[in-house]
Parts: sequence; C-alpha cells; structure tokens
Amino acid sequence: DGGITQSPKYLFRKEGQNVTLSCEQNLNHDAMYWYRQDPGQGLRLIYYSQIVNDFQKGDIAEGYSVSREKKESFPLTVTSAQKNPTAFYLCASRTPAGSGEQFFGPGTRLTVL
Amino acid sequence: GENVEQHPSTLSVQEGDSAVIKCTYSDSASNYFPWYKQELGKRPQLIIDIRSNVGEKKDQRIAVTLNKTAKHFSLHITETQPEDSAVYFCAASKTGGYQKVTFGTGTKLQVIP
Repeated sequence: DGGITQSPKYLFRKEGQNVTLSCEQNLNHDAMYWYRQDPGQGLRLIYYSQIVNDFQKGDIAEGYSVSREKKESFPLTVTSAQKNPTAFYLCASRTPAGSGEQFFGPGTRLTVL
Repeated sequence: GENVEQHPSTLSVQEGDSAVIKCTYSDSASNYFPWYKQELGKRPQLIIDIRSNVGEKKDQRIAVTLNKTAKHFSLHITETQPEDSAVYFCAASKTGGYQKVTFGTGTKLQVIP
C-alpha cells in the first residue's frame, strides 16, 4: 500500500450539500482518475486528468467537478446536482503509457443522509 | 466508446478446482487488458495483464488468454485457494498516452474450503 491516498475514509453528507473528496499521490504519475463503484456495476469513470490544469469528463461526470492544480492532487467535488451520490469512490493514478497499470487509493465511502 | 462485458457475475468453486472468468470487448483498437482483484473493503490491485501482441500470459497459478479476432479474453485460476476469494475485474484500454480504462462489472469468486 502507499503511494496514493484518499481522505476521508468515510464521509456523511446531508442532501443539498457539496462535499470534496481528497486524492493525493507521490508516485510522480501524470495521469489520475476518479471512479465510482456501486454493487454489481463495476468501476465507472467520473473524470480523468492527463496533466496538470487539464481534465476530461468520463462516462458519469454529471453532478461532479474536479480540479488539477498540482501533479500530486486531484480532488473530486460531489455537488448537490448529483442525484444519487451514495457510493464508494476510488481514485487512481497510472504509470506511463508503456506499462499502463493503474494504482488505486483505498477509497472513500460517501453516504448521503 | 469501449464496452466490456464480464461473465459470470458470481462463481463458486471448491478449493483446488479451477476458475475461469470471461470478458468481451467492443473496440478493436484496444490493446491492453488488465485484471484486478478486489478483496472486501480494499482497493483493486493488478494481478495480471496482457497486451494485444501476446496470446497468453502466465504467472504461477494465474493465466490470461486473449483472442483478438473474437475480441475476448479470459482469466484462469488453477488450484484455487480460499484467499483467492474476491471480486475480479477485467478492463480494456489503448496504450499510447493516458487513455480511458473501461472496466467490466466484476465477478465475485468464492472458493469453498
């Protein structure tokens, strides 16, 4: 373990509130990703970033926002526009293209009360 | 975009038997196919991967086969052990730059002692 961290581990939110999930990596990876995991649905891509100050929408970006001001950090904000935010959120970074392996953080479990 | 289908969704085997998980992909340009193992409450971790210029790859009790023509690839676990019990995800992507990685929906493997 180590190399890519997420905080907090558990997060509770009231309806109508925005929350920000933290993701930090010290692997010197350029690419970072956010996934949402729901039972029986695998890992669905929310946003990904290839370099600092650049990011692209994934398959389920609605209701989420990201920033990439530093290479090491890729925070995800879950906005009040996300209608069903309760899920397990995983951040990942990826080795250069020649290898391709993704390294995942330990995840944040978000529950909307 | 890429679509990855994974079967079965659940699989129970007796300890010592073999387990096979199958995936199909839709984008013929995909050339990198990793498999991840996720134990309960933990992060996914890469267990084996294969590139499109190779038909088979082995690592001890784990092997992956790839059929580019049919666009399917499979994970084979031999001599299963209780610690193999986990959720397994297949994925597909292109190499060359930091491409999206599309995951299957996962297979929950239970090894019965």
